[in-house]
Amino acid sequence: GAVVSQHPSWVICKSGTSVKIECRSLDFQATTMFWYRQFPKQSLMLMATSNEGSKATYEQGVEKDKFLINHASLTLSTLTVTSAHPEDSSFYICSAGDSSGPDTQYFGPGTRLTVL
Amino acid sequence: KNEVEQSPQNLTAQEGEFITINCSYSVGISALHWLQQHPGGGIVSLFMLSSGKKKHGRLIATINIQEKHSSLHITASHPRDSAVYICAVNTGNQFYFGTGTSLTVIP
Repeated sequence: GAVVSQHPSWVICKSGTSVKIECRSLDFQATTMFWYRQFPKQSLMLMATSNEGSKATYEQGVEKDKFLINHASLTLSTLTVTSAHPEDSSFYICSAGDSSGPDTQYFGPGTRLTVL
Repeated sequence: KNEVEQSPQNLTAQEGEFITINCSYSVGISALHWLQQHPGGGIVSLFMLSSGKKKHGRLIATINIQEKHSSLHITASHPRDSAVYICAVNTGNQFYFGTGTSLTVIP
């Protein structure tokens, strides 16, 4: 089956620094990638949808200048949390869809971000 | 009201028991996903359904489009099945997620 990887799997950083999270589709071309955030004991929340070669579409309430998304190739999307603060500490998950349609989603293992 | 409701929220079962987790949704969908999230957070996609029934090993997922309801069944449950099971629906434009069912299987 299709595999999506994320790097790093966990990261601890100081407040005010920026953190980049990578999402890669390992054996297929991902025309669309999704970024989610999950706070403890809560459900996944969609942050943004990124299509290769175009600007990401952000969900209401998600600051696009704070959460920079780049989908520069069909196998890689990056999420950069700029000037991270403790309230940004969360579990960030990406999923990727291939050309078969938006219904087919392959989830990455997630990245746990802790901002001190 | 959430677009996706799961029940129960928490479930404890003895090893070997048959388990059912339910998901109801209120929006029109193109597909429904069942996801498994283990402690530590990693998510595995178990099923994607748009109609009928799918089976994978000891896991069975069914969906009734007319009733807007899906069930995930686990036969002969095992402690390694302990995880949070999340139902997610895709409307074609957006994903909606349930809050998850936390399953603990006791040896």
